[in-house]
Amino acid sequence: AQKITQTQPGMFVQEKEAVTLDCTYDTSDQSYGLFWYKQPSSGEMIFLIYQGSYDEQNATEGRYSLNFQKARKSANLVISASQLGDSAMYFCAMREPSYFSGGSNYKLTFGKGTLLTVNP
Amino acid sequence: DAGVIQSPRHEVTEMGQEVTLRCKPISGHDYLFWYRQTMMRGLELLIYFNNNVPIDDSGMPEDRFSAKMPNASFSTLKIQPSEPRDSAVYFCASRKDREAFFGQGTRLTVV
Repeated sequence: AQKITQTQPGMFVQEKEAVTLDCTYDTSDQSYGLFWYKQPSSGEMIFLIYQGSYDEQNATEGRYSLNFQKARKSANLVISASQLGDSAMYFCAMREPSYFSGGSNYKLTFGKGTLLTVNP
Repeated sequence: DAGVIQSPRHEVTEMGQEVTLRCKPISGHDYLFWYRQTMMRGLELLIYFNNNVPIDDSGMPEDRFSAKMPNASFSTLKIQPSEPRDSAVYFCASRKDREAFFGQGTRLTVV
């Protein structure tokens, strides 16, 4: 079963506008973490933002914010004032206990990604 | 810090040959992950280590794949024998506290 679902294969946004990238997750654990990474065309994976399951406030990092709705199990990324350099693949990921090892370690699982294109 | 270092950056090999991918994690990081990225399957977790010990290798596709971490500063992912369907970008990542830091990846092409 897919743990992280990103339903938007591709998104388009006009420069300077805001855009929301969707992410839903599936877990029965109470303690977990949610991440967003950016992968530009050059291929590297860049960490953007983190939200812990117990964090009461939505995470923010500059132009990035995470709209965390725990009951709905969603962790959408909001990019404000889009820039041309934001054009990239965006991945949502979840850190959860790895029960393969008895639950004492944590693994990081990624969604399939959303390709964001910012138009001038 | 130099970040996570992977080598080689690109590898082209013939089907049936052995391929070894290398990774040097960030010093002090106790988790190391190997991922494979393809268009069809996205980013798949193959295996990960904690303090040099393999914890979860349930993502390793077949016995042709093996990974080792002989010490805290080095890990290898070996494919023997390689097949065209192994063509992908292989990422290594390391983590200490929160987020994982990724290497630049190795683009493997098996012809």
